[in-house]
Amino acid sequence: QTVVTQEPSFSVSPGGTVTVTCGLSSGSVSTTNYPSWYQQTPGQAPRTLIYNTNTRSSGVPDRFSGSILGNKAALTITGAQADDESHYYCVLYLGSGIWVFGGGTKLTVL
Amino acid sequence: QLQLQESGPGLVKPSETLSLTCTVSGGSISSGSDHWGWIRQPPGKGLEWIGTMHYSGSTYYNPSLKRRVTISVDTSKNQFSLKLSSVTATDTAVYYCARYSMPPRAAFDIWGQGTMVTVSS
Repeated sequence: QTVVTQEPSFSVSPGGTVTVTCGLSSGSVSTTNYPSWYQQTPGQAPRTLIYNTNTRSSGVPDRFSGSILGNKAALTITGAQADDESHYYCVLYLGSGIWVFGGGTKLTVL
Repeated sequence: QLQLQESGPGLVKPSETLSLTCTVSGGSISSGSDHWGWIRQPPGKGLEWIGTMHYSGSTYYNPSLKRRVTISVDTSKNQFSLKLSSVTATDTAVYYCARYSMPPRAAFDIWGQGTMVTVSS
């Protein structure tokens, strides 16, 4: 069974830059996996940040960006702010109607 | 704007069937290529895709849950539903319904607020 991998946790200083990645246990991530990214704070439903690899959802600040880096999808936060402290999840389309979420990355801003 | 709202029992006994409904408001569940899905999150853990459907009847399920899951639609009520059979404590989770917009958008872009379901006798 294919697993979608993410770093379990990351720490970034206010104003700093952090890149969270989303990989596959077997193979490379490409645009045909339609990577999307979600932000979730405790007790809240996920919020869509990035869809189709690199398009920001409406209202999402431009300090959030998505890309393919090497063989993984990536979410980069440039100029991190305190309220970016959240869990971040990616999801990939594996084909045949199957989607898989990554395990999530807990981002600490300090 | 489009909104989704989950409803159903918050407590289910082991071995029974979990049943949830998602009501879509502000738009039609029969709209074009949009798909509708269920995602769950056990306490303190990550998100897990359960399954997705199109109003035409096409359904797609997580292979690890496929034997126990049924997702169906009632277009007259603008609702879709989840049934998960033979539940155990490991099925305790917050259950979210969400719209999946097909490419070029390609994302679960609208989510319900989620509903907590506990499996316990």
